[in-house]
Amino acid sequence: AQTVTQSQPEMSVQEAETVTLSCTYDTSESDYYLFWYKQPPSRQMILVIRQEAYKQQNATENRFSVNFQKAAKSFSLKISDSQLGDAAMYFCAYRSFALLGGGADGLTFGKGTHLIIQP
Amino acid sequence: NAGVTQTPKFRILKIGQSMTLQCTQDMNHNYMYWYRQDPGMGLKLIYYSVGAGITDKGEVPNGYNVSRSTTEDFPLRLELAAPSQTSVYFCASSYGLRGNTEAFFGQGTRLTVV
Repeated sequence: AQTVTQSQPEMSVQEAETVTLSCTYDTSESDYYLFWYKQPPSRQMILVIRQEAYKQQNATENRFSVNFQKAAKSFSLKISDSQLGDAAMYFCAYRSFALLGGGADGLTFGKGTHLIIQP
Repeated sequence: NAGVTQTPKFRILKIGQSMTLQCTQDMNHNYMYWYRQDPGMGLKLIYYSVGAGITDKGEVPNGYNVSRSTTEDFPLRLELAAPSQTSVYFCASSYGLRGNTEAFFGQGTRLTVV
């Protein structure tokens, strides 16, 4: 079974600064997807960015980018020019292709990082 | 565009009662999921379905049942509610395993068992 570890329970950053959230995972698979989800106080889970493991190029979505290190099994999220609206819980998640081989489907989540934006 | 809709948003149950959490999606997704989120934790998979008539257990299925009679609906049944089932429940759906694999989530149901 896969595991996802987010070692930073809470991070704080000044508005307009850059912050990096860490995520490591454990898997024996070579093909999989990785995601960062944002959960604001409204509880809604919002996809921030995704990365396909077979792609070496790091994914980017506007102010959000990832540093994907497949050999190190690391998937960090960088938020540039932090804004007050970025304050939320951030979850790293893993999805395998085990279902194709008779295994289970679904996302495996880390415990989350609470991001605080200081005005 | 409604996406994934869960009802109710909040519910208080007494120990031993039963209830069904409703989930419906209008995106014609084959894959649907139920997760629970305990305080300070990430989401854990309870059950999932890859299509109408097909369901399977996730990481924490005990105390729950599901059915999938249509593509749109995936209700979660709690039998004999226990305090350990106090949690926030999320339903999600996704298109498939390749290409656009994004999971779309409902707003969640906060359940308290007293």
